[in-house]
Order: sequence, then structure tokens, then C-alpha cells
Amino acid sequence: SQQGEEDPQALSIQEGENATMNCSYKTSINNLQWYRQNSGRGLVHLILIRSNEREKHSGRLRVTLDTSKKSSSLLITASRAADTASYFCATDAIDRGSTLGRLYFGRGTQLTVWP
Amino acid sequence: GAVVSQHPSWVICKSGTSVKIECRSLDFQATTMFWYRQFPKQSLMLMATSNEGSKATYEQGVEKDKFLINHASLTLSTLTVTSAHPEDSSFYICSARDLRLAGHSYTQYFGPGTRLTVL
Repeated sequence: SQQGEEDPQALSIQEGENATMNCSYKTSINNLQWYRQNSGRGLVHLILIRSNEREKHSGRLRVTLDTSKKSSSLLITASRAADTASYFCATDAIDRGSTLGRLYFGRGTQLTVWP
Repeated sequence: GAVVSQHPSWVICKSGTSVKIECRSLDFQATTMFWYRQFPKQSLMLMATSNEGSKATYEQGVEKDKFLINHASLTLSTLTVTSAHPEDSSFYICSARDLRLAGHSYTQYFGPGTRLTVL
């Protein structure tokens, strides 16, 4: 079953606005990653945050991680129409008898940025 | 960054035929490759984990005789959908990692996907 759940499922904003997406997960993790997927394409790795980190920045992206609440957020600042895509969080669960290296994906947030 | 390719990018076939999808890591060696399928507006569902030189590990509910996986080298894994039916129509995505790296490189590199349509 899916490990993570993104919220909201869909987000529609105007260019220039900030977009915030949340992700919750169920088990202990080593790290959490965010990926982006344009329609009908593969996934592009955006950012990884380790379980001992609380916040990480990469360009217009800001990711937070709260392991006590088992949640993460992805903030895209000053959004652009080109940011329109689906965004997924993925975790590696460490207290499962799971395959080494596998990721557990959430259902994703569909972000639409209107020009 | 590391590049993973998939071939073909799309394929249309008749019901009952078999389709082979290739996944290649172009500039790194992948000890492990993962095969996912994705239905429209859904998340990725892991089908199987493919380790170089050994048998693939299939997720619960995935028929190993229907989805044949071969990982013969550190740069190539193949997924063969045997006797394909319309319900097998989906977007198939592979990803690759090199788990030999110190601390295990956590980044998983994804291929661009293959759109399979079975008529």
C-alpha cells in the first residue's frame, strides 16, 4: 500500500504565487524525496531531505520535514506556468521488511499554475 | 545527473502479443532497477525489483509469469509483458540506483516511461 499521502490532491494558482504541498507518511524513514512529473513523462528528482534535517532549500524550492508528525512540505516560491506538473513525495521505510532501496510514493499533488 | 533511458517510448500492440521494454542506465552502473506502472492521474505502483544477476522480486499481486524481468547487466533491465491484454495498457516506468555507493546513493533515477496500449 502507499506509504505517503499528499495534500492537496490538486492545487491551482496564479503565476507569482507560492505553492505549498504537504506529504504525510506512516513509518520511520531514512530520508524523504520530492519528485516532479510532467504529464506523460518520467519523474524528475527535485530534492532529498534526510531524517535528521528539518529544512532544505534548492533554488525556489523549500522542503521541511517533521519526523515527529511524520510529515513534509514542499514550497515553490514565485511559481511559474512551467511549474505545472504532478509532485510526488517518496520515502524509504526503514522499519519494514522491505526491499533495500525501494521507495514508497504518495498519490501526488497536481499543480496548475495559470499565467 | 545520471540518465536512464527507456525504449520504446510508446508501443501499440494487439491483444495476445508480447511486448519488451528496455531500461538502460547510460552513465552509471545500476545494481538495482525498479519497474513501476502508473495509471492516469494515479501514483506509481511498484511492480518488481530487479537486481543484476539474480531473480527479480515481485510485489504482491503482480504475476511473475506475465511480467518477465531480466537484469542481465549493470546497465540493462528488460520487462516483457507476455500475452498482453487491454487491461495491461498503462504507463510503465523504470528507475535505477547504484546501491554499492558509500552510504547508498539515495537518489533514484527514473526513465522517461513507456506508454503501452493494447488493442
